[in-house]
Amino acid sequence: GENVEQHPSTLSVQEGDSAVIKCTYSDSASNYFPWYKQELGKRPQLIIDIRSNVGEKKDQRIAVTLNKTAKHFSLHITETQPEDSAVYFCAAGARNNAGNMLTFGGGTRLMVKP
Amino acid sequence: DAGVIQSPRHEVTEMGQEVTLRCKPISGHDYLFWYRQTMMRGLELLIYFNNNVPIDDSGMPEDRFSAKMPNASFSTLKIQPSEPRDSAVYFCASSPGFEQPQHFGDGTRLSIL
Repeated sequence: GENVEQHPSTLSVQEGDSAVIKCTYSDSASNYFPWYKQELGKRPQLIIDIRSNVGEKKDQRIAVTLNKTAKHFSLHITETQPEDSAVYFCAAGARNNAGNMLTFGGGTRLMVKP
Repeated sequence: DAGVIQSPRHEVTEMGQEVTLRCKPISGHDYLFWYRQTMMRGLELLIYFNNNVPIDDSGMPEDRFSAKMPNASFSTLKIQPSEPRDSAVYFCASSPGFEQPQHFGDGTRLSIL
Protein backbone atom coordinates (compact mmCIF):
# COMPACT_ATOMS: atom_id res chain seq x y z
CA GLY A 1 0.00 0.00 0.00
CA GLU A 2 0.84 3.68 -0.05
CA ASN A 3 3.40 5.07 2.40
CA VAL A 4 3.71 8.82 3.03
CA GLU A 5 6.65 10.28 4.93
CA GLN A 6 6.63 13.86 6.16
CA HIS A 7 9.51 16.08 7.31
CA PRO A 8 10.31 17.80 9.55
CA SER A 9 8.21 16.61 12.48
CA THR A 10 8.59 20.00 14.17
CA LEU A 11 9.43 23.38 12.69
CA SER A 12 9.98 26.64 14.49
CA VAL A 13 10.19 29.91 12.54
CA GLN A 14 10.15 33.59 13.31
CA GLU A 15 7.08 35.56 12.35
CA GLY A 16 7.45 36.82 8.79
CA ASP A 17 9.80 34.03 7.73
CA SER A 18 8.89 31.24 5.32
CA ALA A 19 8.13 27.64 6.28
CA VAL A 20 8.56 24.59 4.06
CA ILE A 21 7.21 21.10 4.79
CA LYS A 22 8.12 18.17 2.57
CA CYS A 23 6.44 14.84 1.89
CA THR A 24 7.38 11.78 -0.12
CA TYR A 25 5.06 9.00 -1.25
CA SER A 26 5.60 5.50 -2.57
CA ASP A 27 2.66 4.66 -4.86
CA SER A 28 3.14 6.03 -8.37
CA ALA A 29 -0.62 5.68 -8.90
CA SER A 30 -1.32 8.46 -6.39
CA ASN A 31 -2.90 11.44 -8.12
CA TYR A 32 -4.33 13.63 -5.39
CA PHE A 33 -2.35 15.45 -2.69
CA PRO A 34 -4.23 17.50 -0.08
CA TRP A 35 -2.78 19.38 2.86
CA TYR A 36 -4.62 19.75 6.16
CA LYS A 37 -4.12 22.12 9.06
CA GLN A 38 -5.10 21.00 12.55
CA GLU A 39 -5.16 23.46 15.42
CA LEU A 40 -4.97 22.16 18.98
CA GLY A 41 -8.17 20.35 19.93
CA LYS A 42 -9.77 20.97 16.55
CA ARG A 43 -10.51 18.93 13.45
CA PRO A 44 -8.17 18.72 10.45
CA GLN A 45 -9.17 21.30 7.84
CA LEU A 46 -8.20 21.28 4.19
CA ILE A 47 -6.04 24.28 3.29
CA ILE A 48 -4.96 23.43 -0.24
CA ASP A 49 -4.77 20.45 -2.59
CA ILE A 50 -3.07 19.59 -5.86
CA ARG A 51 -3.65 16.97 -8.52
CA SER A 52 -1.04 15.19 -10.56
CA ASN A 53 -1.72 17.14 -13.75
CA VAL A 54 -0.49 20.32 -12.05
CA GLY A 55 3.04 21.05 -10.84
CA GLU A 56 2.31 24.02 -8.59
CA LYS A 57 -0.66 25.74 -7.02
CA LYS A 58 -0.89 28.95 -4.99
CA ASP A 59 -3.46 30.43 -2.67
CA GLN A 60 -2.36 33.74 -1.13
CA ARG A 61 0.50 32.92 1.26
CA ILE A 62 0.31 29.16 0.68
CA ALA A 63 1.74 27.20 -2.24
CA VAL A 64 2.20 23.53 -3.00
CA THR A 65 4.61 21.97 -5.46
CA LEU A 66 4.53 18.45 -6.85
CA ASN A 67 7.29 16.41 -8.48
CA LYS A 68 5.68 13.19 -9.74
CA THR A 69 8.94 11.80 -11.07
CA ALA A 70 10.61 12.05 -7.70
CA LYS A 71 7.36 11.30 -5.83
CA HIS A 72 7.56 14.26 -3.52
CA PHE A 73 5.45 17.31 -2.80
CA SER A 74 5.92 20.31 -0.56
CA LEU A 75 3.94 22.98 1.26
CA HIS A 76 5.32 26.52 1.33
CA ILE A 77 3.97 29.18 3.68
CA THR A 78 5.33 32.70 3.19
CA GLU A 79 5.16 35.64 5.61
CA THR A 80 4.23 33.35 8.48
CA GLN A 81 1.97 34.66 11.22
CA PRO A 82 1.37 33.36 14.77
CA GLU A 83 -2.05 32.05 13.68
CA ASP A 84 -0.25 29.70 11.26
CA SER A 85 0.93 27.74 14.31
CA ALA A 86 -0.66 24.29 14.08
CA VAL A 87 0.01 20.72 12.98
CA TYR A 88 0.08 20.27 9.21
CA PHE A 89 -0.61 16.94 7.52
CA CYS A 90 0.10 15.96 3.96
CA ALA A 91 -1.75 13.09 2.30
CA ALA A 92 -1.69 11.12 -0.92
CA GLY A 93 -4.70 9.55 -2.61
CA ALA A 94 -5.31 7.31 -5.57
CA ARG A 95 -8.20 5.70 -7.32
CA ASN A 96 -7.57 1.99 -7.13
CA ASN A 97 -9.41 -1.29 -6.84
CA ALA A 98 -10.14 -0.56 -3.21
CA GLY A 99 -11.86 2.69 -4.04
CA ASN A 100 -10.91 6.11 -2.76
CA MET A 101 -8.72 6.62 0.26
CA LEU A 102 -6.03 8.94 1.59
CA THR A 103 -2.81 7.97 3.32
CA PHE A 104 -1.63 10.67 5.72
CA GLY A 105 1.89 11.67 6.68
CA GLY A 106 2.90 11.81 10.32
CA GLY A 107 2.36 15.56 10.66
CA THR A 108 4.55 18.63 11.20
CA ARG A 109 4.11 20.83 14.23
CA LEU A 110 4.74 24.40 13.06
CA MET A 111 5.44 27.05 15.68
CA VAL A 112 5.58 30.68 14.58
CA LYS A 113 7.27 32.88 17.16
CA PRO A 114 6.11 36.49 17.33
CA ASP B 1 -24.15 23.31 5.07
CA ALA B 2 -23.86 21.93 8.59
CA GLY B 3 -20.72 19.94 7.89
CA VAL B 4 -19.99 16.48 9.24
CA ILE B 5 -21.69 16.00 12.59
CA GLN B 6 -20.31 13.63 15.22
CA SER B 7 -21.66 12.65 18.59
CA PRO B 8 -20.85 12.54 21.38
CA ARG B 9 -18.03 15.11 21.53
CA HIS B 10 -16.59 13.51 24.63
CA GLU B 11 -17.06 10.05 26.09
CA VAL B 12 -15.62 8.70 29.31
CA THR B 13 -16.41 5.14 30.23
CA GLU B 14 -14.99 2.19 32.08
CA MET B 15 -13.08 -0.66 30.57
CA GLY B 16 -15.35 -3.42 29.29
CA GLN B 17 -18.26 -1.15 28.43
CA GLU B 18 -19.70 -0.85 24.95
CA VAL B 19 -19.02 2.45 23.19
CA THR B 20 -20.96 3.74 20.19
CA LEU B 21 -19.78 6.72 18.16
CA ARG B 22 -22.11 8.37 15.65
CA CYS B 23 -21.61 10.31 12.46
CA LYS B 24 -23.81 12.20 10.02
CA PRO B 25 -21.96 12.95 6.76
CA ILE B 26 -22.51 15.96 4.54
CA SER B 27 -25.58 15.43 2.38
CA GLY B 28 -24.68 14.19 -1.09
CA HIS B 29 -21.27 12.85 -0.11
CA ASP B 30 -20.86 9.26 -1.29
CA TYR B 31 -17.85 8.40 0.85
CA LEU B 32 -17.60 8.16 4.62
CA PHE B 33 -14.38 7.54 6.54
CA TRP B 34 -13.61 6.69 10.17
CA TYR B 35 -10.19 7.70 11.54
CA ARG B 36 -8.47 7.32 14.89
CA GLN B 37 -5.89 9.86 16.05
CA THR B 38 -3.32 9.32 18.80
CA MET B 39 0.00 10.96 19.58
CA MET B 40 1.84 7.70 19.03
CA ARG B 41 0.23 6.52 15.79
CA GLY B 42 -0.99 9.74 14.21
CA LEU B 43 -4.09 9.71 12.00
CA GLU B 44 -5.09 6.16 11.08
CA LEU B 45 -7.85 5.16 8.67
CA LEU B 46 -10.03 2.51 10.29
CA ILE B 47 -12.70 1.87 7.63
CA TYR B 48 -14.46 3.63 4.81
CA PHE B 49 -17.77 3.29 2.99
CA ASN B 50 -18.91 4.08 -0.53
CA ASN B 51 -22.67 4.44 -0.98
CA ASN B 52 -23.20 2.80 2.43
CA VAL B 53 -21.10 -0.25 1.52
CA PRO B 54 -17.87 -0.95 3.47
CA ILE B 55 -14.97 -0.87 1.01
CA ASP B 56 -11.85 -1.27 3.11
CA ASP B 57 -11.82 -2.25 6.78
CA SER B 58 -8.18 -3.33 6.93
CA GLY B 59 -7.46 -0.59 9.44
CA MET B 60 -9.91 -1.86 12.04
CA PRO B 61 -7.66 -2.92 14.93
CA GLU B 62 -9.47 -6.09 15.95
CA ASP B 63 -12.83 -7.78 16.21
CA ARG B 64 -13.84 -5.55 19.10
CA PHE B 65 -14.36 -2.79 16.54
CA SER B 66 -17.29 -2.74 14.13
CA ALA B 67 -18.82 -0.09 11.89
CA LYS B 68 -22.12 0.20 10.08
CA MET B 69 -23.77 2.59 7.67
CA PRO B 70 -27.46 1.73 7.50
CA ASN B 71 -28.28 4.69 5.26
CA ALA B 72 -26.65 7.60 3.47
CA SER B 73 -27.01 9.96 6.42
CA PHE B 74 -25.83 7.90 9.38
CA SER B 75 -22.91 5.73 10.45
CA THR B 76 -21.80 4.20 13.72
CA LEU B 77 -18.48 2.93 15.05
CA LYS B 78 -18.83 0.51 17.92
CA ILE B 79 -16.23 -0.82 20.35
CA GLN B 80 -17.22 -3.80 22.46
CA PRO B 81 -15.66 -4.46 24.92
CA SER B 82 -13.66 -1.26 25.26
CA GLU B 83 -10.08 -1.20 26.59
CA PRO B 84 -7.89 1.66 27.89
CA ARG B 85 -5.71 1.48 24.74
CA ASP B 86 -8.76 2.48 22.69
CA SER B 87 -8.53 5.97 24.19
CA ALA B 88 -8.08 8.39 21.30
CA VAL B 89 -9.86 11.00 19.23
CA TYR B 90 -12.09 9.41 16.61
CA PHE B 91 -12.87 11.44 13.51
CA CYS B 92 -15.48 10.86 10.88
CA ALA B 93 -15.00 12.43 7.44
CA SER B 94 -17.00 12.49 4.22
CA SER B 95 -16.13 13.17 0.60
CA PRO B 96 -18.18 13.70 -2.57
CA GLY B 97 -16.11 11.39 -4.75
CA PHE B 98 -12.79 10.19 -6.04
CA GLU B 99 -9.85 12.48 -5.44
CA GLN B 100 -12.03 15.03 -3.72
CA PRO B 101 -11.40 16.73 -0.37
CA GLN B 102 -12.41 14.92 2.77
CA HIS B 103 -14.33 17.05 5.26
CA PHE B 104 -13.80 16.13 8.90
CA GLY B 105 -16.20 16.29 11.80
CA ASP B 106 -15.17 17.77 15.15
CA GLY B 107 -14.27 14.32 16.49
CA THR B 108 -15.15 12.29 19.58
CA ARG B 109 -12.60 12.33 22.37
CA LEU B 110 -12.84 8.88 23.93
CA SER B 111 -11.34 8.01 27.29
CA ILE B 112 -11.50 4.44 28.59
CA LEU B 113 -10.67 4.17 32.29
